[in-house]
Amino acid sequence: AQSVTQPDIHITVSEGASLELRCNYSYGATPYLFWYVQSPGQGLQLLLKYFSGDTLVQGIKGFEAEFKRSQSSFNLRKPSVHWSDAAEYFCAVGGRDYKLSFGAGTTVTVRA
Amino acid sequence: DVKVTQSSRYLVKRTGEKVFLECVQDMDHENMFWYRQDPGLGLRLIYFSYDVKMKEKGDIPEGYSVSREKKERFSLILESASTNQTSMYLCASSSPGADTEAFFGQGTRLTVV
Repeated sequence: AQSVTQPDIHITVSEGASLELRCNYSYGATPYLFWYVQSPGQGLQLLLKYFSGDTLVQGIKGFEAEFKRSQSSFNLRKPSVHWSDAAEYFCAVGGRDYKLSFGAGTTVTVRA
Repeated sequence: DVKVTQSSRYLVKRTGEKVFLECVQDMDHENMFWYRQDPGLGLRLIYFSYDVKMKEKGDIPEGYSVSREKKERFSLILESASTNQTSMYLCASSSPGADTEAFFGQGTRLTVV
């Protein structure tokens, strides 16, 4: 069975500081990995995805993520956080059956 | 601009009522999904459909059913609503392929009293 663990429920970061959100997955074959963001009152928006090739992937809004097969991780990073990055972030893993399994989410608070 | 539209943002229903949540997408996507979102649990898949009239159970199908009579519309049905079905419900759609992006609606917050 596939699953995703996001160890951090809530992270507070200062504006301009760097951000890293952790994601560990469990999947029996080659995983398809995604990071989504949900702003308050909104649906989910795709930040980036990985399914093959370069293990460092770039996404929208200045985010990047690195796939590490040996650690079963897909951590999300941003070098300098903006107040508009305050949101809930979800890591997801999928496979060829089109089913996405999501983590519990990490809420990011940005302080001035 | 791609769009997944859920018919209601907020719903309040009574225990035992039959509840319909509607979702329409305008992207001609084959795949459609219903998730429920609860604090601390993330999104959990209820049902998905990869074609008209086709459906498959997700991880938590108990107490729910779905209908997909047309490609663009995917309905979630609560046959007899219960208080433990109070939640945020999210609809999504995607084109075929495990690496494709899922597009989400804004969600329906259902309260069962």
